[in-house]
Amino acid sequence: DTAVSQTPKYLVTQMGNDKSIKCEQNLGHDTMYWYKQDSKKFLKIMFSYNNKELIINETVPNRFSPKSPDKAHLNLHINSLELGDSAVYFCASSPQGTSGPNNEQFFGPGTRLTVL
Amino acid sequence: AQKVTQAQTEISVVEKEDVTLDCVYETRDTTYYLFWYKQPPSGELVFLIRRNSFDEQNEISGRYSWNFQKSTSSFNFTITASQVVDSAVYFCALSEETSGSRLTFGEGTQLTVNP
Repeated sequence: DTAVSQTPKYLVTQMGNDKSIKCEQNLGHDTMYWYKQDSKKFLKIMFSYNNKELIINETVPNRFSPKSPDKAHLNLHINSLELGDSAVYFCASSPQGTSGPNNEQFFGPGTRLTVL
Repeated sequence: AQKVTQAQTEISVVEKEDVTLDCVYETRDTTYYLFWYKQPPSGELVFLIRRNSFDEQNEISGRYSWNFQKSTSSFNFTITASQVVDSAVYFCALSEETSGSRLTFGEGTQLTVNP
């Protein structure tokens, strides 16, 4: 019954490693997002995909690469992890893309990434 | 550029008190959407309300109410008769018609309701 799911929930890794976070939604939504929440709780959008097409790409380092194999999945791959990447990463989805910003975004439970 | 300001970083109240969380936004769009989300200690983000810029009607949902005033660019959130379970971080967010679906969040307000 989970609407937006993320795996893993916790991720602890060493600097320099490459890691992926997976996100899946079973709501039939067209648009998916990745947000980053830093240690001060500030939430900022990173990426948005609409029907597998990238529509928002904020000023995020190239080490972050989203991949959307289908519209129900949006994975986040991070290369060469740095200490500053430690944060909670939230996946979200909404029914419509650029034509429907009024639509509620449903958030996943978050993935707490800790880089040592 | 869109911006959301939640000037109250932390608020602490005693149970049964009423509390208002302030939200001020900036946008150049005439069509925009305002949201409130709750983040309890467990960490998930819970949607509370969505308002579009053409609908200034205030809304009440149980103990929660929202006051949208375009004249002051504010979208304040009031909890009546607060309860310990209301303790959470509350985020106000804005989405502009011309900026796609991105949500711009305020810094959040940590509300602590003490018994």
